[in-house]
Amino acid sequence: GAVVSQHPSRVICKSGTSVKIECRSLDFQATTMFWYRQFPKKSLMLMATSNEGSKATYEQGVEKDKFLINHASLTLSTLTVTSAHPEDSSFYICSAIQDRGTDTQYFGPGTRLTVL
Amino acid sequence: EDKVVQSPLSLVVHEGDTVTLNCSYEVTNFRSLLWYKQEKKAPTFLFMLTSSGIEKKSGRLSSILDKKELSSILNITATQTGDSAIYLCAVEAGDSWGKLQFGAGTQVVVTP
Repeated sequence: GAVVSQHPSRVICKSGTSVKIECRSLDFQATTMFWYRQFPKKSLMLMATSNEGSKATYEQGVEKDKFLINHASLTLSTLTVTSAHPEDSSFYICSAIQDRGTDTQYFGPGTRLTVL
Repeated sequence: EDKVVQSPLSLVVHEGDTVTLNCSYEVTNFRSLLWYKQEKKAPTFLFMLTSSGIEKKSGRLSSILDKKELSSILNITATQTGDSAIYLCAVEAGDSWGKLQFGAGTQVVVTP
């Protein structure tokens, strides 16, 4: 199957700083990428849909000014957590779709963010 | 409001047992139901179901969708310790391609 990578895999930062997480599709071009967050022992919650060359679409309750998404190319989307606080500590996972309509999402390995 | 409910939330079985996991959904404009296995990191794809009554199989795993009952089951036969994981059910629905709503997952522990 297709490969999606995330970087970094783990990050620890101080409260108030910003953290950027990268999601890359390694062997295919992703027209659409999705960002999820997962709290311990909870399921994945969709945060936003990232489309190459256009603004991201955020789910209800997700602050777009706090979670900045940039889908700069067909193989890269970035999520920046601005002014991070301890409650932002979570597991962030991206996924990518090659073509709309194929419906198979490939997930990245996730990024564990800890805000002190 | 769309929702996806999985049951049970967790279970412990012995190697060799058969496990049946349930997923029910209430969504608008259903497109597909997907099963994923999540171990330590990101979910790995198992099945995608779009049509009722057609069983999909992969080794010891199988799954079927019942659109009338708005539900799906995932079966694992002759379980092994490597089957220990969280099994996630997700539904794609609505007007946007690819947006998945996940259930809470079922944690399966297979003991030797």
